[in-house]
Amino acid sequence: DGGITQSPKYLFRKEGQNVTLSCEQNLNHDAMYWYRQDPGQGLRLIYYSQIVNDFQKGDIAEGYSVSREKKESFPLTVTSAQKNPTAFYLCASSIGRSSYEQYFGPGTRLTVT
Amino acid sequence: GENVEQHPSTLSVQEGDSAVIKCTYSDSASNYFPWYKQELGKGPQLIIDIRSNVGEKKDQRIAVTLNKTAKHFSLHITETQPEDSAVYFCAALGDDKIIFGKGTRLHILP
Repeated sequence: DGGITQSPKYLFRKEGQNVTLSCEQNLNHDAMYWYRQDPGQGLRLIYYSQIVNDFQKGDIAEGYSVSREKKESFPLTVTSAQKNPTAFYLCASSIGRSSYEQYFGPGTRLTVT
Repeated sequence: GENVEQHPSTLSVQEGDSAVIKCTYSDSASNYFPWYKQELGKGPQLIIDIRSNVGEKKDQRIAVTLNKTAKHFSLHITETQPEDSAVYFCAALGDDKIIFGKGTRLHILP
């Protein structure tokens, strides 16, 4: 059963704490992406990775960090420096540069109080 | 960089009628235009895409048209059904990244 998994579905944290969101794929895709979704804002790119051990900032990378130590995994850390972290976070993957068709995970809703 | 505008933000149509969502893009070099459907509480799902070497593509009740000269593309859903109710996003490839529109919430009225 191939696909992208994100866990947990709901996450609650206190302000000032770092939190890491999990994203795993078994599609053998080279590229992985993290998006943030806010009401009325569409999807905004946080970070993306075209290959293992390499990643690039997207449009709203400030306050976030990522790692890509394994092809299957692309965890996102929301740091205490992110001023407004409450949002719906979506992970996606694609085959790579030869194909831009992206497959999305089910998302994680993060609430910081 | 690429910018994608999507209209309308909300659309209500009677069941059985057609729905049309329109998008414009800014980067004339863009050559890939996907459409995604997002149901409540779920991740977006690709429903159809079009590349710049064609002007129209159909898949059952869904069709997408592309006008490269005017830099706009549209999603057409015919014979709408209740399960078509969702948020739809258009997107365009720019600078090696997919840029999304802000979405259209489609309501199918009984």
